[in-house]
Amino acid sequence: AQSVAQPEDQVNVAEGNPLTVKCTYSVSGNPYLFWYVQYPNRGLQFLLKYITGDNLVKGSYGFEAEFNKSQTSFHLKKPSALVSDSALYFCAVRDRTGYALNFGKGTSLLVTP
Amino acid sequence: EAQVTQNPRYLITVTGKKLTVTCSQNMNHEYMSWYRQDPGLGLRQIYYSMNVEVTDKGDVPEGYKVSRKEKRNFPLILESPSPNQTSLYFCASSLRSGSSYNEQFFGPGTRLTVL
Repeated sequence: AQSVAQPEDQVNVAEGNPLTVKCTYSVSGNPYLFWYVQYPNRGLQFLLKYITGDNLVKGSYGFEAEFNKSQTSFHLKKPSALVSDSALYFCAVRDRTGYALNFGKGTSLLVTP
Repeated sequence: EAQVTQNPRYLITVTGKKLTVTCSQNMNHEYMSWYRQDPGLGLRQIYYSMNVEVTDKGDVPEGYKVSRKEKRNFPLILESPSPNQTSLYFCASSLRSGSSYNEQFFGPGTRLTVL
């Protein structure tokens, strides 16, 4: 069975500082990995995904994520955080044979001015 | 505008009163899915559909039904709602294509309260 862990319920970072939101996964075989963001009272929006190839994936709003197969991780990063990045972030995994998508519990990112 | 719509956005009902939450997408997506979001549990998949007349259970299907008679619509049916189904529900859709790496587009959510 596939699963995702987001070990931090909340991440606090000052505006202008780099941010990292952690995600580890468990799946048989090679995974497809996704990051989504949820702003208050909104649905989830797609940020980026890893399919294959380059381990560093670039996405929307200046976010990027690094796929690390040996550590089974897919951490979300941004070099310089903005207050407007404050939101709930979800990591998700899907194995390559099925269509079920498993989400982590989410990490609340708070960027303070 | 490409979008996934859900109705109603908010619903308060009583135990046992059948209800349907509608979901519609205008992107000609084959794949559609329902999730529920609960604090501390993240999103959990209820049901998904790979195409018309093809549906499958997700992680938490108990107490829910779905149907996929048309490509654009994927209603979620609660035959006899109970308080433990109070939650925020999201519908999502994506292209299916030849593999499963397409990102999903989410609706705005339906907040359901069962008294």
